[in-house]
Amino acid sequence: EAQVTQNPRYLITVTGKKLTVTCSQNMNHEYMSWYRQDPGLGLRQIYYSMNVEVTDKGDVPEGYKVSRKEKRNFPLILESPSPNQTSLYFCASSSRGQGAPKTQYFGPGTRLLVL
Amino acid sequence: DAKTTQPTSMDCAEGRAANLPCNHSTISGNEYVYWYRQIHSQGPQYIIHGLKNNETNEMASLIITEDRKSSTLILPHATLRDTAVYYCIVRALGGSQGNLIFGKGTKLSVKP
Repeated sequence: EAQVTQNPRYLITVTGKKLTVTCSQNMNHEYMSWYRQDPGLGLRQIYYSMNVEVTDKGDVPEGYKVSRKEKRNFPLILESPSPNQTSLYFCASSSRGQGAPKTQYFGPGTRLLVL
Repeated sequence: DAKTTQPTSMDCAEGRAANLPCNHSTISGNEYVYWYRQIHSQGPQYIIHGLKNNETNEMASLIITEDRKSSTLILPHATLRDTAVYYCIVRALGGSQGNLIFGKGTKLSVKP
């Protein structure tokens, strides 16, 4: 089954304790990205990757890092989490190519609480 | 990408057609209209997209006006499981290919 998976789905942590949220897709997609969703602010893009070893900042990259060493994986790293990073996080992927913008497939979400 | 305007909320009776409007009056010629939905904090789900012709798939129909300044997503026989926030998004070829700009969407409540 084609899917985007995220782990963990729920996480409670404390300020300053490094954490990684994993994202994996099995559709051989070139493009992957991370969004965060907050009440009243909607979904906002954090980082994206056009292909292996190619990453770039989205709209709200501060406090986050990403890496794209393999095509299927795109982990989101919080080196020193703070309470304002408490949010619902989504990973997404899509293919690339000519023609219409490609459909994005989203993971199930990771709910993060930073105390 | 062009801005979109959607009603904040709508109700629909179960089994009836749900018609969700979207205004995109500043849309340009190379911009597509996409619809996604999000069911209660799950990951957004693609529904349908179109450029200028009406489109239909197993989930919904998309009607785009001739001037392309507005569109309507139609769920032909709404069920309780269609209760969700529906997002109308305009996206261009090239440019910011990946960043979906989600507005506030329309919260559709399907009632028994």
